[in-house]
Amino acid sequence: SQQGEEDPQALSIQEGENATMNCSYKTSINNLQWYRQNSGRGLVHLILIRSNEREKHSGRLRVTLDTSKKSSSLLITASRAADTASYFCATGPSGGSNYKLTFGKGTLLTVNP
Amino acid sequence: DTAVSQTPKYLVTQMGNDKSIKCEQNLGHDTMYWYKQDSKKFLKIMFSYNNKELIINETVPNRFSPKSPDKAHLNLHINSLELGDSAVYFCASSRLRTELNTEAFFGQGTRLTVV
Repeated sequence: SQQGEEDPQALSIQEGENATMNCSYKTSINNLQWYRQNSGRGLVHLILIRSNEREKHSGRLRVTLDTSKKSSSLLITASRAADTASYFCATGPSGGSNYKLTFGKGTLLTVNP
Repeated sequence: DTAVSQTPKYLVTQMGNDKSIKCEQNLGHDTMYWYKQDSKKFLKIMFSYNNKELIINETVPNRFSPKSPDKAHLNLHINSLELGDSAVYFCASSRLRTELNTEAFFGQGTRLTVV
């Protein structure tokens, strides 16, 4: 069964605005990862946050993790047209193994110039 | 150099045919995966291999048979193709570390259309 659920399913913003996407999951995790998928392309890893971390930054990306609520958020600041893509959260199971990354349904972000 | 490469990129075939998708990674990873992405963009894991051994088989029909001749390759053979097999298939790889998890690297995908 599906682990992660992103919301919103679709988000449309203007260039320069911030974009926030949320992810909820059901079972215990070792880590949570965010990926980007441009149309017709493969997934590209953005950032990984471990279950004992609460916040992580990478450039214009900020990820938070609340294990008590089983949720994470991805914030993209000062968005650009090139950020237009689908964004997926993926959870790695507890126990330290990434044999199986379970993905959510994704959020389609459109950044209008 | 492409880290995870899969071929072909597009595959159009008739129902009942048998087809294969090849995947190779040059990252030195020990774990490889096959994912299926449906028309609604939902990604579902199909198989996971670690050091050429099958680790995960997520209730995939027997018509799907992965083969890993070595750690750098994980091919997917599909027998008796059905319309419902139409999807984008992604190969991925990662380095498995018990205490330090790493990200997965994905290929560009193979869009399979069964007519």
